[in-house]
Amino acid sequence: EPEVTQTPSHQVTQMGQEVILRCVPISNHLYFYWYRQILGQKVEFLVSFYNNEISEKSEIFDDQFSVERPDGSNFTLKIRSTKLEDSAMYFCASSEIATSTDTQYFGPGTRLTVL
Amino acid sequence: ELKVEQNPLFLSMQEGKNYTIYCNYSTTSDRLYWYRQDPGKSLESLFVLLSNGAVKQEGRLMASLDTKARLSTLHITAAVHDLSATYFCAVDVLNSGGYQKVTFGTGTKLQVIP
Repeated sequence: EPEVTQTPSHQVTQMGQEVILRCVPISNHLYFYWYRQILGQKVEFLVSFYNNEISEKSEIFDDQFSVERPDGSNFTLKIRSTKLEDSAMYFCASSEIATSTDTQYFGPGTRLTVL
Repeated sequence: ELKVEQNPLFLSMQEGKNYTIYCNYSTTSDRLYWYRQDPGKSLESLFVLLSNGAVKQEGRLMASLDTKARLSTLHITAAVHDLSATYFCAVDVLNSGGYQKVTFGTGTKLQVIP
């Protein structure tokens, strides 16, 4: 069964460093999302992406964040200058059609630890 | 701003018992989801509810949606230990451009005691 994959599974970085989290969505999906979950807390929406554009973003997704689909398979989340409070689990998700009955399929997540 | 609230936040129940988790949301929604999350794991989709009165069942779990009351319930029948997990509801609103923005509830941590 097709699935969303994410790499790395765990990323440790120093405060102020840039990180890139990678996702490979399900191959025929067109809509891509990033969420984060601070340990023990609820899942928070960051951004949705379609047709090489951001279609929605939350207040969390400030200028330090960016997303990109550099090729036909990868979808990346970049944090330019990490802060301690960026430490969280980051989930990528994809769906075939955003406005249909299709649900979002989540990847296994990348745990980001900022020291 | 859309608010999604779940209760209870924690639920400890004995095997064999029934219980209901509630999800209230503050604005008209296009779609409501229920997810399961095991500790340290990703989110697993359980149900997608699309319309008022929708009811879906899978095994010991049944989800329903009342869009007029802006309320969804997840009912657990004859709980077993394997159902222990955190359950999230999430509400989907289309923005003006027609794209999804999903807002998650606070989660309900369910512990089923043998």
